[in-house]
Amino acid sequence: GAGVSQSPSNKVTEKGKDVELRCDPISGHTALYWYRQSLGQGLEFLIYFQGNSAPDKSGLPSDRFSAERTGGSVSTLTIQRTQQEDSAVYLCASSYNREIYGYTFGSGTRLTVV
Amino acid sequence: AQTVTQSQPEMSVQEAETVTLSCTYDTSESDYYLFWYKQPPSRQMILVIRQEAYKQQNATENRFSVNFQKAAKSFSLKISDSQLGDAAMYFCAYSGSGGSNYKLTFGKGTLLTVNP
Repeated sequence: GAGVSQSPSNKVTEKGKDVELRCDPISGHTALYWYRQSLGQGLEFLIYFQGNSAPDKSGLPSDRFSAERTGGSVSTLTIQRTQQEDSAVYLCASSYNREIYGYTFGSGTRLTVV
Repeated sequence: AQTVTQSQPEMSVQEAETVTLSCTYDTSESDYYLFWYKQPPSRQMILVIRQEAYKQQNATENRFSVNFQKAAKSFSLKISDSQLGDAAMYFCAYSGSGGSNYKLTFGKGTLLTVNP
C-alpha cells in the first residue's frame, strides 16, 4: 500500500479482555517495528521484525504481550488480559533501507482499557 | 544507552515568524542518524527532516532546517515562515548505524502552537 495502515483506529475494551492490533506495512518493507506511546512514558520500543522473525522482543512489557508477522507483511500485536496501564497509542512503523529512507509510521491504534 | 532530551515541553510562535526547537542527545557512537518527526492530532508520525552524523552539512527541507553540532551533541530544528499547519507535537529521534542499531530512541516531544 501507499502507507502504513493500522487497525482499528480506536479500541475500547474491558479490563481482562484480549485485544488484537493490526499493522499493514508498506509493500516491500522488510523491517517492521511496534512502539507504544503513553503520556507518562513517551514513545517506547516494543518489538522489531525482520521479515517474519523477531530478533528483538526486548521491549515487550510483560508476557501478556505478543506479536507475530506473517508473509513478511501484516503484523498483529496481541495483548492478553488487558490492564488499565495498557491504555496507550500503539504505533507501527516499517522501513526498507532505514539508513537512506528512514522509518514510515502508521496513524496508530488508541487503546483504552476500562 | 542512547538518550534524547528535548528541554522545551511547549513552544509558541506567531504565524510567519521563525522558531527553533532544541534537542540534545547522548551517545558513544560515531556514526548515527538523527530525525525530527511531526505528530499532528491525526497521530501519524511524519518525517520532517533527517541528518546523517557523518555529514557536516546541515540538512534542509524547504522551510525546515537543522543546526547539527556533533561535538556538542545538539540537533535543533528551525522552522521558518511558520504556518498554522505546522502546529503539532515535534519529536527528535536517534538511530544508530548498522544492522543491530535499528531502534529509534525518541525525546519526550515539544508541543508547538502557531498563533495567527
